[in-house]
Amino acid sequence: DQQVKQNSPSLSVQEGRISILNCDYTNSMFDYFLWYKKYPAEGPTFLISISSIKDKNEDGRFTVFLNKSAKHLSLHIVPSQPGDSAVYFCAASVRGAQKLVFGQGTRLTINP
Amino acid sequence: GAGVSQSPSNKVTEKGKDVELRCDPISGHTALYWYRQSLGQGLEFLIYFQGNSAPDKSGLPSDRFSAERTGGSVSTLTIQRTQQEDSAVYLCASSRRSSGSNGEQFFGPGTRLTVL
Repeated sequence: DQQVKQNSPSLSVQEGRISILNCDYTNSMFDYFLWYKKYPAEGPTFLISISSIKDKNEDGRFTVFLNKSAKHLSLHIVPSQPGDSAVYFCAASVRGAQKLVFGQGTRLTINP
Repeated sequence: GAGVSQSPSNKVTEKGKDVELRCDPISGHTALYWYRQSLGQGLEFLIYFQGNSAPDKSGLPSDRFSAERTGGSVSTLTIQRTQQEDSAVYLCASSRRSSGSNGEQFFGPGTRLTVL
């Protein structure tokens, strides 16, 4: 039972344009959501997070949007840069449970 | 400062052999997690340690898998009688548990396990 789903295994975007990565979840108990970025042969690194009491969180070029009624979140990167090429994982947690539930990842490629 | 380190970075073993994977968390982090990532899949939670509390073992796939954390620091994940389906990247993460904890976990580079 995949509680966190990233339905797009890959995404290709032109440099300078906006990248939008999507994530859906099924467990209504999730109250904290995170995005991680992973380069080959490295562990995932934390990018940005959002609590369920908010619907938007922004950090520089990165913005995460949460739509609780649709159980959907998205990560916007603008403008996209070649260094953003990586695999992006969406993750969710239930506060107090500590463990993260991850999606399958989306491979983002930024084309010059 | 030093991040989470894992060893070995790569491990090739024969089916039926036992393997041990090591994780050194960030100094001062009281929480430690093990995940694995199989080919084309997301990260799958295995086990979680928090201080001296009993570990959350709910993600261990079988009784061939076990983990321990000595002295609240280094952790070892042991897989007995390895099977080909155990082939994956095993990732360790640590976090600072505090009242303001936001769930952010810091990951090591992983150990790529290949069972022939």
